[in-house]
Amino acid sequence: EPEVTQTPSHQVTQMGQEVILRCVPISNHLYFYWYRQILGQKVEFLVSFYNNEISEKSEIFDDQFSVERPDGSNFTLKIRSTKLEDSAMYFCASSDRVDAQYFGPGTRLLVL
Amino acid sequence: AQRVTQPEKLLSVFKGAPVELKCNYSYSGSPELFWYVQYSRQRLQLLLRHISRESIKGFTADLNKGETSFHLKKPFAQEEDSAMYYCALRVFTGNQFYFGTGTSLTVIP
Repeated sequence: EPEVTQTPSHQVTQMGQEVILRCVPISNHLYFYWYRQILGQKVEFLVSFYNNEISEKSEIFDDQFSVERPDGSNFTLKIRSTKLEDSAMYFCASSDRVDAQYFGPGTRLLVL
Repeated sequence: AQRVTQPEKLLSVFKGAPVELKCNYSYSGSPELFWYVQYSRQRLQLLLRHISRESIKGFTADLNKGETSFHLKKPFAQEEDSAMYYCALRVFTGNQFYFGTGTSLTVIP
């Protein structure tokens, strides 16, 4: 069964550094999403992406964040200048319809 | 503002007992509700959605617009049901999802 994959599984970075989190959605899916989960807190929506553009974004998704689909398979989340409070688990998801999402295993980001 | 509330962080039931995981939402429009499950060391996966009115792994959930609830129920809990359960709301006008804080279910053998 096809799965969403994410790399790396863990990333440690220094405050102020840029990070790029990578996701490979399921190949025939058209809708892509990023979520984050701060330790002990709920899963929070960041952004949805369709037809090569952002369709929705939350208040969390400020100018420090950007998403890209650089080729036909990858979907990336970039954080330009990481802050301590960006430490979280970041989940990518994709769907072939607007309502059924398949999640990746997550990338655990630690900002020191 | 849209919000999803799962009042129980932890829930323990005995095997064979009925289980109900509560979910309440607040949204002024027409909601779409989902339940996601995360088993130990596995990824989040969709369990069921209200528009399908389906039963998955013995679980059902009915959308009650009057009570703004979407509680997840199973008449006889199994050990393999032990997991983290998240209720989620999709707002009709967009493609944004709101998750509850999750309920950790433990089924005691």
